[in-house]
Amino acid sequence: AQKITQTQPGMFVQEKEAVTLDCTYDTSDQSYGLFWYKQPSSGEMIFLIYQGSYDEQNATEGRYSLNFQKARKSANLVISASQLGDSAMYFCAMREPQGFQKLVFGTGTRLLVSP
Amino acid sequence: GAVVSQHPSRVICKSGTSVKIECRSLDFQATTMFWYRQFPKKSLMLMATSNEGSKATYEQGVEKDKFLINHASLTLSTLTVTSAHPEDSSFYICSAGGTSGRSYNEQFFGPGTRLTVL
Repeated sequence: AQKITQTQPGMFVQEKEAVTLDCTYDTSDQSYGLFWYKQPSSGEMIFLIYQGSYDEQNATEGRYSLNFQKARKSANLVISASQLGDSAMYFCAMREPQGFQKLVFGTGTRLLVSP
Repeated sequence: GAVVSQHPSRVICKSGTSVKIECRSLDFQATTMFWYRQFPKKSLMLMATSNEGSKATYEQGVEKDKFLINHASLTLSTLTVTSAHPEDSSFYICSAGGTSGRSYNEQFFGPGTRLTVL
């Protein structure tokens, strides 16, 4: 069974600084996908970034980058130049490679960006 | 593109009534849709997976007779909470996944429905 672990229930960062949100995963599959989503207080789930298990380079999307360390089974999200609007819940998720390809979510990290 | 809508966004109902929540993929064909439930300050819990034209697959512990899911077309899935009780109050979110192009590597989430059962 697949499992996602986010050990940081809350993180604080000052505006304009970078922050890393941790995510480790457990799977016996060789092919899998890793996702990060942002959930502001409005509740919508906003897709941030995707990393495939066979991707050799770390994924980047604007200020978001994914520090993918396959041997350590970690997929940390790095947010550079934090903005006040980045304050939200962040969820790491893994997609099972076969079947319905459903997502398994971690418990989330609440990020608070201060001025 | 790749927009998923959900209706209603918020619903308040009396205990014992049934509530239907709609999830629509607006600009792509959603062969698979997922329904999640989220309690306050908690993560998303997958309730069921529905594929167009076939029965939904429910996660362990989810009562299929209570949470009826219908995925009658490639753009619409519905979740009906039957005989709702206060403990069913929660935030329900749907997502849709396609099979090609951008939608393959992403699940697109609806904005969610907040259900309150009095």
